[in-house]
Amino acid sequence: AQTVTQSQPEMSVQEAETVTLSCTYDTSENNYYLFWYKQPPSRQMILVIRQEAYKQQNATENRFSVNFQKAAKSFSLKISDSQLGDTAMYFCAFGFGNEKLTFGTGTRLTIIP
Amino acid sequence: DAGITQSPRHKVTETGTPVTLRCHQTENHRYMYWYRQDPGHGLRLIHYSYGVKDTDKGEVSDGYSVSRSKTEDFLLTLESATSSQTSVYFCAINKKEVLDTGELFFGEGSRLTVL
Repeated sequence: AQTVTQSQPEMSVQEAETVTLSCTYDTSENNYYLFWYKQPPSRQMILVIRQEAYKQQNATENRFSVNFQKAAKSFSLKISDSQLGDTAMYFCAFGFGNEKLTFGTGTRLTIIP
Repeated sequence: DAGITQSPRHKVTETGTPVTLRCHQTENHRYMYWYRQDPGHGLRLIHYSYGVKDTDKGEVSDGYSVSRSKTEDFLLTLESATSSQTSVYFCAINKKEVLDTGELFFGEGSRLTVL
């Protein structure tokens, strides 16, 4: 069974600074997907960024980028120039094959004005 | 808009009563999922479905049943609600037929309180 670990329950950072959220996972699979989802106070689950394991290049989406270390089974999310709207719960998730996703326990990120 | 509607969005019930949550999609995708979200646990898979009358258990299926008699509807039933089932329930779909990215699209969640 796959497991996803987020070791930072809460984080806070000043607006405009850079913050990195950590995620590690455990799997014996070779081809899989990794995701970061954002859940603002509205409760809606929003995809932030995704990474395919066979791609060595780290994914980027505007201010969001990942550091994917396949051998270390690490998938961290970096948010640059953080904004007040980035305040949310962030979930790391793992998926492969049969389409189910396994989620971590989440990191609550607060952006301080 | 992922075309997913959950109902009810909020419900308060008493221990021992049956509860059914409904997930409706407008795009006829095969793969549908029910997750529950609890503080300190993230999202955990309850049940999932690969098509009409094709369902399977997730990691926290005890006390829950599901049914899928139509492609567009996936029902989650708590036969006899307990306080431990107080949670936020999310329905999700995978658009694998048209978007093979592994991404799940979520409904807005249903908050259930069992007194």
